[in-house]
Amino acid sequence: AQKVTQAQTEISVVEKEDVTLDCVYETRDTTYYLFWYKQPPSGELVFLIRRNSFDEQNEISGRYSWNFQKSTSSFNFTITASQVVDSAVYFCALSGIGNEKLTFGTGTRLTIIP
Amino acid sequence: NAGVTQTPKFRVLKTGQSMTLLCAQDMNHEYMYWYRQDPGMGLRLIHYSVGEGTTAKGEVPDGYNVSRLKKQNFLLGLESAAPSQTSVYFCASRRQVRIKMNTEAFFGQGTRLTVV
Repeated sequence: AQKVTQAQTEISVVEKEDVTLDCVYETRDTTYYLFWYKQPPSGELVFLIRRNSFDEQNEISGRYSWNFQKSTSSFNFTITASQVVDSAVYFCALSGIGNEKLTFGTGTRLTIIP
Repeated sequence: NAGVTQTPKFRVLKTGQSMTLLCAQDMNHEYMYWYRQDPGMGLRLIHYSVGEGTTAKGEVPDGYNVSRLKKQNFLLGLESAAPSQTSVYFCASRRQVRIKMNTEAFFGQGTRLTVV
């Protein structure tokens, strides 16, 4: 069985602050993919990033960065200098290679206060 | 570039009525999924399919049936709708999972279903 836990239900920060969204996962697969999706108030699900389990290199893309740590089964997402447009629900997801299921966490609602 | 298209976008049903939600993808993806989204519960997998003619149960399959007669289409059926099935339903598709291949899921716009 695989499981994704996003313990932070809601986070509010003032604009321009940095914020980190936590994701902890469980899987029996030795190789797997992790994902982050964004769901803005309009409701669509937008893919942000994919990481695979055999590449622990962290990534930065503009104001976004991701910290993958296999030793702690975590894949955290940081927004630097947050903006109001970052307000959304963010989902972490997991899929094992050879395992068709794509499992999502319960999401973190991020509100950026102007 | 249509991607994943869900029909309808909104629907109101009376308890006991039946309906079918249609999901169509034009990316030739092998895998397709149906999820429901409820407040505080994230996206929960209802059923999924790894190819034409095959389906499998997810974590919340009761009260739903699915069919995948064609690779590009994945239908979700409610035989006798109940108020507990009031939710937002998302369909997704993606490539078969292989190492070092892009395998993120692409989602439809969602269907908001209310059962009264």
